[in-house]
Amino acid sequence: KAGVTQTPRYLIKTRGQQVTLSCSPISGHRSVSWYQQTPGQGLQFLFEYFSETQRNKGNFPGRFSGRQFSNSRSEMNVSTLELGDSALYLCASSSQAGVTGELFFGEGSRLTVL
Amino acid sequence: AQSVTQLDSQVPVFEEAPVELRCNYSSSVSVYLFWYVQYPNQGLQLLLKYLSGSTLVKGINGFEAEFNKSQTSFHLRKPSVHISDTAEYFCAVSDGLNDMRFGAGTRLTVKP
Repeated sequence: KAGVTQTPRYLIKTRGQQVTLSCSPISGHRSVSWYQQTPGQGLQFLFEYFSETQRNKGNFPGRFSGRQFSNSRSEMNVSTLELGDSALYLCASSSQAGVTGELFFGEGSRLTVL
Repeated sequence: AQSVTQLDSQVPVFEEAPVELRCNYSSSVSVYLFWYVQYPNQGLQLLLKYLSGSTLVKGINGFEAEFNKSQTSFHLRKPSVHISDTAEYFCAVSDGLNDMRFGAGTRLTVKP
């Protein structure tokens, strides 16, 4: 069974640009969550999608958005990039909404903003 | 809302020594507790989880943790560590409805 796949793994952008990150969950998983990981803030929850609907949203500005498609694949978008957006963005999938079981994480997309 | 505090940011230990990584949580409702491990340049991998039942939970790679409701703690232990256990360890909590909240992480360094 293939794991959670995130693309691209690494990318470099400049301030003001936008970026789209993709996440393919484990087959059969309908919940996808996104986290931002930085050395100073640790893992911060961005949002969770379940069956194409956003269930939960973290405390991030509106520049951060996401969506989920009918095949459960998810994308997140960051517009008007700032230096502080440099981070590892982790996607995690789960078979159910909410978290009573395991989150399966991808290897992340490392974004560097110059 | 629930939150997690990992009491040690770094834990150095010699190979074959025992180790305990400490985690305290706060929540107004029943919780589910997790420990994840992250190796360099990788995502997080589940070590173990407490959902209900026995308060002593055994996980992969010889790790175990004990849920202590009165102390609101979920400390991770291993009786004898290996060099390969060097990694970042995250404690996490969920109420089953909302997002999983992670601690700041503990960097375990196993020295020969």
